[in-house]
Amino acid sequence: NAGVTQTPKFRILKIGQSMTLQCTQDMNHNYMYWYRQDPGMGLKLIYYSVGAGITDKGEVPNGYNVSRSTTEDFPLRLELAAPSQTSVYFCASSSGRAFYEQFFGPGTRLTVL
Amino acid sequence: EDQVTQSPEALRLQEGESSSLNCSYTVSGLRGLFWYRQDPGKGPEFLFTLYSAGEEKEKERLKATLTKKESFLHITAPKPEDSATYLCAVQGNTGGFKTIFGAGTRLFVKA
Repeated sequence: NAGVTQTPKFRILKIGQSMTLQCTQDMNHNYMYWYRQDPGMGLKLIYYSVGAGITDKGEVPNGYNVSRSTTEDFPLRLELAAPSQTSVYFCASSSGRAFYEQFFGPGTRLTVL
Repeated sequence: EDQVTQSPEALRLQEGESSSLNCSYTVSGLRGLFWYRQDPGKGPEFLFTLYSAGEEKEKERLKATLTKKESFLHITAPKPEDSATYLCAVQGNTGGFKTIFGAGTRLFVKA
């Protein structure tokens, strides 16, 4: 199993541009998450999904959108990129709602200039 | 509001020098406390889940303990390959099942 994969690994955007961060998991997990990690800070939850067709906001959802059309894929959309969105983005998945460990992808390092 | 504070921010040890990392938490009804290891440029990797005060779990040189207000990650006779950032996270009974992460402790072990 590849686990959780993310693309791209690195990306530089100009202010106002848009992009989609891709996330795929092959563990048949129902629960998927998007986090951002800023230097010296803990991971902050952006959006999460409890299954195909169901998504909800986390702590810091502004400026982002998600969709979940399949169990495997959970893309994160950035509209009108801003410098404040410069961060490392991690996708994760878990088999259960609570108590269960989360499996993380390798991350996407995004810079907005 | 659920909150997690980790200390120290950074810890430098000599190989074989045992120590502990602290995770203080405030949560409305603890569902679970998690420890993750994160290597530079990689995603966090799961280590332990603790559910109730008094619980302990071990894995190689690592031992995690839990009280009602804090958790400790004890590292016994560390090796250079234990160098990483260690993240603590909690899930509470409110706020759905969102996981709140601390900022982490960066551990450096010198040979």
